[in-house]
Amino acid sequence: GAGVSQSPSNKVTEKGKDVELRCDPISGHTALYWYRQSLGQGLEFLIYFQGNSAPDKSGLPSDRFSAERTGGSVSTLTIQRTQQEDSAVYLCASSLRQGVEKLFFGSGTQLSVL
Amino acid sequence: GENVEQHPSTLSVQEGDSAVIKCTYSDSASNYFPWYKQELGKRPQLIIDIRSNVGEKKDQRIAVTLNKTAKHFSLHITETQPEDSAVYFCAARAAGNKLTFGGGTRVLVKP
Repeated sequence: GAGVSQSPSNKVTEKGKDVELRCDPISGHTALYWYRQSLGQGLEFLIYFQGNSAPDKSGLPSDRFSAERTGGSVSTLTIQRTQQEDSAVYLCASSLRQGVEKLFFGSGTQLSVL
Repeated sequence: GENVEQHPSTLSVQEGDSAVIKCTYSDSASNYFPWYKQELGKRPQLIIDIRSNVGEKKDQRIAVTLNKTAKHFSLHITETQPEDSAVYFCAARAAGNKLTFGGGTRVLVKP
């Protein structure tokens, strides 16, 4: 595809349920980031993947959050036992490689936990 | 880890005036400082960036300055236009390529 694709664009779930958010980076981009943007707030770093290196998970807010990246391409962010405070827009971004810094963002997944 | 503070959180300017947004960072090892613009309902997009070996960079009506000693950098928008209305984010990259963003500045350009 021409850009970073995220799905679903909107997700409404009940408290306590698990959710999976998907990110398809730009083809050939080896670096992939997940950020969280709460209403009117900044971009909170969650996790960063670079090629085959171990991911930087330092931003994950709790052990309910996890992410994986299969085959160096598609990434899935999983939130277990969702809480209302998890409601936010989850943004994925990719860049060509480490050292090429320009991030291309997806349009995000709006997660609402009722 | 890196911490980026951004001020002000909101900024209202008259069309044609200048706008300045300031950011400070904590990690002296940070070496790359981009600015992203997010229009309402859209995804953030890179508008300008600067590296630690440069003190100033300009691109048409926008410019960024960097003071490594003081660990702060600023975005300057001159001759503001209504289409400049958006949320602007600064960011800093330290070791490991992780990009840490500031809290954002909502800029409103009044016609």
